Amino acid sequence: AQKVTQAQTEISVVEKEDVTLDCVYETRDTTYYLFWYKQPPSGELVFLIRRNSFDEQNEISGRYSWNFQKSTSSFNFTITASQVVDSAVYFCALKRNYGQNFVFGPGTRLSVLP
Amino acid sequence: ETGVTQTPRHLVMGMTNKKSLKCEQHLGHNAMYWYKQSAKKPLELMFVYSLEERVENNSVPSRFSPECPNSSHLFLHLHTLQPEDSALYLCASSQGTVPEKLFFGSGTQLSVL
Repeated sequence: AQKVTQAQTEISVVEKEDVTLDCVYETRDTTYYLFWYKQPPSGELVFLIRRNSFDEQNEISGRYSWNFQKSTSSFNFTITASQVVDSAVYFCALKRNYGQNFVFGPGTRLSVLP
Repeated sequence: ETGVTQTPRHLVMGMTNKKSLKCEQHLGHNAMYWYKQSAKKPLELMFVYSLEERVENNSVPSRFSPECPNSSHLFLHLHTLQPEDSALYLCASSQGTVPEKLFFGSGTQLSVL
């Protein structure tokens, strides 16, 4: 069975602090894909990153970085120097190498205070 | 703008009403999805249509009836809903049989009284 856990329900930080959102997944597949999505107050989920299971290289995109560790089945997301506009609900998701079912975690609500 | 448009944005209906949610994608994608987002629960996949055929139906009650007349449009027909069906209903689209990512609409916030 596929499962995604985001243990942090809500996080509050002050602007300019760094924050890490945790994601732990379960799958028996050897090939799979991991995603992060951002859901701002407007409602639509916005794609941030996609990672396949064979690529454990960490990625940095501006203030965003992702740490993929297969050994611990984790795919954590760090925002450096957070900004108020980063306030949103962030979802981690898992997808098998076939089919079209994306399995989402429960989400982490991030509040960045000025 | 993600290229996926959902209407209406908000809907309030009684338990005996019949209503429909509409989704339209302008991205040329070949698959469309309905997800349900309830408070404090993960997004739940309801239906997937690929090339206008339903390929997934995650044990959704029959009071929810999807319709995909073409690859750009997706409907969710609602009939005799229950208060626990109140949620944000999100439409998404993707391209390919092994999609790289989903593009979401802004959702319809549904309240069932």
